[in-house]
Formats: sequence, structure tokens, C-alpha cells
Amino acid sequence: KQEVTQIPAALSVPEGENLVLNCSFTDSAIYNLQWFRQDPGKGLTSLLLIQSSQREQTSGRLNASLDKSSGRSTLYIAASQPGDSATYLCAVRNYGQNFVFGPGTRLSVLP
Amino acid sequence: EAGVVQSPRYKIIEKKQPVAFWCNPISGHNTLYWYRQNLGQGPELLIRYENEEAVDDSQLPKDRFSAERLKGVDSTLKIQPAELGDSAVYLCASSLVGRGTHLYEQYFGPGTRLTVT
Repeated sequence: KQEVTQIPAALSVPEGENLVLNCSFTDSAIYNLQWFRQDPGKGLTSLLLIQSSQREQTSGRLNASLDKSSGRSTLYIAASQPGDSATYLCAVRNYGQNFVFGPGTRLSVLP
Repeated sequence: EAGVVQSPRYKIIEKKQPVAFWCNPISGHNTLYWYRQNLGQGPELLIRYENEEAVDDSQLPKDRFSAERLKGVDSTLKIQPAELGDSAVYLCASSLVGRGTHLYEQYFGPGTRLTVT
């Protein structure tokens, strides 16, 4: 059974810092991995989706990498802004299975 | 393009009462998901539909939960009777299953926050 963990559970950084969020999964036979952002009281917003054949995806200040062999993905946020404050979740999908979500990392970017 | 629509946004009910949630997916999306999210945790899948067929309902507590997706478009999730432990956010998501690089990419609605007292 796939298990997804995210470290750290919470992170607080000053504005302008570059930061890395981590996602680990136990079963490396994944089909794809998706990173989401969730603002308080809101639904999830898709940030990046990486297929199993890809190593990374980039969108603006966000870069997500995937290392299947080690069961890890990282989300890199460059030049963080207060508007980046939210909970970031990763979800992993194995072949023929449903997405399994991690518990999320709660990010606070201080002005 | 309209996103995933859910209603109501908030619901407060007493235990043992019934409650229903409605979801309209993104137009053209053939796969629909219902998730439950408890505070501080990631969403957990309750049921997944492909068109009008429930292809995975293994995590749905069938003694009190039911769902339907008539005509393969919008969907309703019902709880009867509700228990205190059902308090959570119920999220609906949709995706397009088919060819393309964004196969299975999920798009979420705003969710329904249920409080059972």
C-alpha cells in the first residue's frame, strides 16, 4: 500500500528566501505525481504534475523534481512571497490505483 | 472555463440527520472523485467514477454513505444518518482520462465543510 509523507509539517521563512518542500513515497512504481496548494478554507489548486518518465517540471517560480528510485519529490519555490503562504500537498498515483495524498506542509512566508 | 462547482459550501447538522452534497465537474471531464479531508490531513478518496460507473468505492462507508452520478455528469454524495465523526471537508475533483501528457490531472472544487453537532 502506497504511503506518502511530507517533511517538514510546517515551515516559516522570511520573504525572499528560496525553499524546498519534500515529499516521500514508499512504492516507487508510480504513474505520476501532482503538487497542490491549499489556502485556508479552500479547495486544492494544481501546481505541477510530473509523469513517471519525467525528472522535473517548472512553472514560474516553482520547480518540482522527481526521483522514483529513491521515492522522493521536491518542490522548490524561488524568491518566496507572502502570497505563497498556504499548505502544499503532494499526491502520488500508482498504475491502476488512485491518488494517495501526503498530509501537507504548512508554509508561512513572513513579510 | 468554469471550474468544479460544489454546493453547499457549509453545512451544520445534528447527528442522525441526513445530508447531501452536490458536485458539477469541469465540462468534458469523464472522471469524478469524492474525497474527505480531516483537519491537518490530506484528502482521502471515498469514491471514483468513470462516466456513470463507480469504479472504486472501496473506501466508502456503505452503511451510511451513498453516491450517484446520473448521466455521467454531476454527482451527489449523501450521508444518512450523520455521525459526529463525519465532520470534515468533502471535496469533489474531476479529471479527463485519455490521451495526453496531463492524464489524470485532478482539478478540485472548493469543498463543503460539514459540521455535525
